[in-house]
Amino acid sequence: AQSVSQHNHHVILSEAASLELGCNYSYGGTVNLFWYVQYPGQHLQLLLKYFSGDPLVKGIKGFEAEFIKSKFSFNLRKPSVQWSDTAEYFCAVNRAGSSYKLIFGSGTRLLVRP
Amino acid sequence: DGGITQSPKYLFRKEGQNVTLSCEQNLNHDAMYWYRQDPGQGLRLIYYSQIVNDFQKGDIAEGYSVSREKKESFPLTVTSAQKNPTAFYLCSSTKAGTSGGTYNEQFFGPGTRLTVL
Repeated sequence: AQSVSQHNHHVILSEAASLELGCNYSYGGTVNLFWYVQYPGQHLQLLLKYFSGDPLVKGIKGFEAEFIKSKFSFNLRKPSVQWSDTAEYFCAVNRAGSSYKLIFGSGTRLLVRP
Repeated sequence: DGGITQSPKYLFRKEGQNVTLSCEQNLNHDAMYWYRQDPGQGLRLIYYSQIVNDFQKGDIAEGYSVSREKKESFPLTVTSAQKNPTAFYLCSSTKAGTSGGTYNEQFFGPGTRLTVL
């Protein structure tokens, strides 16, 4: 069965530190890839997405992610985090051409210390 | 102001009772989804519906039921058969109604936190 793995369950950083959150998926066919963020008390919202083309995608709030097909990975990065980035981050995968179902990773809780 | 609304925000249920969670969207989206979120497990798909009067089971459909009588509404019933119903339930919708083509973003509601007493 298709699965999504997020290796870091909890991450604690100081402001201005660099961030990289890992995401690996198991499906071998064509996939669409997403990172969602859930700020405390807020709706789940889309950070960025990859369908095709340039494997380096840029999202909102200075986030970016790189799709490496050979590694089945879609890691999320930000060069310098802020206290306001404290949130839970979810990687999600959809099989291209399917019924748009998303399979989510278990999430990573990020705490940024001021 | 378009979006997805879920009600109630908090819901308490006694064991053995069925409860229905509401999800309404005014985005004119075709497909709607119900997920369950548990700590450390991410979101798991319960049911989804791509068009009115049609829906499919997701990965953890046992103990749940849905209906899709109107495009904008997709209520979820948590039945007494659900052994561990205490969780945070999220509803989402997306524009795409058929498979293939460009995937559209799923928009999420604010969620309903269900607690079984």
